[in-house]
Formats: sequence, C-alpha cells, structure tokens
Amino acid sequence: EVQLVESGGGLVQPGGSLRLSCAASGFTFSSYEMNWVRQAPGKGLEWVSYISSSGSTIYYADSVKGRFTISRDNAKNSLYLQMNSLRAEDTAVYYCARDGRLTAAGIVYSMQAFDIWGQGTMVTVSS
Amino acid sequence: EIVMTQSPATLSVSPGERATLSCRASQSVSSNLAWYQQKPGQAPRLLIYGASTRATGIPARFSGSGSGTEFTLTISSLQSEDFAVYYCQQYNNWPPSITFGQGTRLEIK
Repeated sequence: EVQLVESGGGLVQPGGSLRLSCAASGFTFSSYEMNWVRQAPGKGLEWVSYISSSGSTIYYADSVKGRFTISRDNAKNSLYLQMNSLRAEDTAVYYCARDGRLTAAGIVYSMQAFDIWGQGTMVTVSS
Repeated sequence: EIVMTQSPATLSVSPGERATLSCRASQSVSSNLAWYQQKPGQAPRLLIYGASTRATGIPARFSGSGSGTEFTLTISSLQSEDFAVYYCQQYNNWPPSITFGQGTRLEIK
C-alpha cells in the first residue's frame, strides 16, 4: 500500500524549533518530488515547501522562507521539515504530499498535482 | 503570486442533484489545475488533475473543465459521501508557484 506517515508535531513555544518527519512506503520514494502543505485550524490549504527527487532543487513559500528547511533521505524513504523561529501563525496541521507522475511513451511527466497525502501532524505554537 | 478564487463559498444541494463549483485564477495557469476533496478530520484527496483528468479511482460523476483562468468542477448526481470541502489548486512549474483556492463547502440541502 502506498502510504505517507507524518510524525514530530506537538506544542512548542514561540521562537522554538520542531522537526517533522514523513515516512514513505509502498513506492519508490527516491523517484518522486515531495512537498509539505499545511492547514491552519478551520482554514484552507497552504503550500509550504517543495523538494525534487534528488534533493537538489528546493522551494519555499514566502511565509516560511529563511525559517524552515526541507530535506530528504532517500536511503531511509523519509522527508523532513526543520522548523525554526516558530510563530503563532505557523500553528497548523502539516501534511506531506507526493507529486504525482504520469508515464506516456516511456516519458515521465508531472501530474502538476499531489496524488498521495499523509494523515497530517499537528503543530501548535503557543506560550 | 497567482490568486485562486473559488465560488461560491458554500453550496447547498440535494442528494441526486448536480453541483457546479467554480475556480478562477488571477492569471492564466493553462491546464495546470487540480481539484481536491477534503472531509472533516481527513487529508485532502486528489479528484482531478490537468483540469479535466480524473485521478485513479475517482467516480465518473466527477468531471472537471476549463483552461486559462476559468475552471469548473461538476458532480453530476450527488451522493451522501460527496458532501465535503473542495479545493482547487494551481501549479506553475517554473518557478514553482503552488496556490490553493479558499475552498467551497458543499452541504446537504
């Protein structure tokens, strides 16, 4: 079964740090681009960060740039999000999400969409 | 940043009827538009990608259309399990610009 399982969430004080993990199984993790997406309580979805399959290309939303670091360990089938200088507005459920891929005539294309999501891990920033 | 605007914010429809949800982009996203369904306490589920292609396992009553800046998700005959929040999402590949709409809540009338 294709699966993503996040962990590492919890309660942290403003200015603190937290490291989220996402364990992948059931597919060739090293072949897929990955993302973090968050959802504040009662709010919509916000893309946070992207990492290419090799880890060589990384992007962040402006709201987290300079504070969050995405990384991956393909040998461990794991994705990470290091969150520093946390603020109250970072309070949210954090999901890891896989970039979907299509193969046609032997060529791999991006779906330009997230086809597999984890169940999410809650991060609460509060004193 | 490309802004995605969904309408209406809440849509009340009776089971068995058709639901039409709209999503507008502040600038063209070509066909790089996806739709997701989210039920309370669950992660989002991909319904449609490439504006009109159903994801694996998605029933045929879900259909997507549009390109450029105007997009529509249609659910042809609502089932009880379809009442949820729906999000559109655009994905500009280079540089990556990924934004979601604010969501449309589909509720039972």
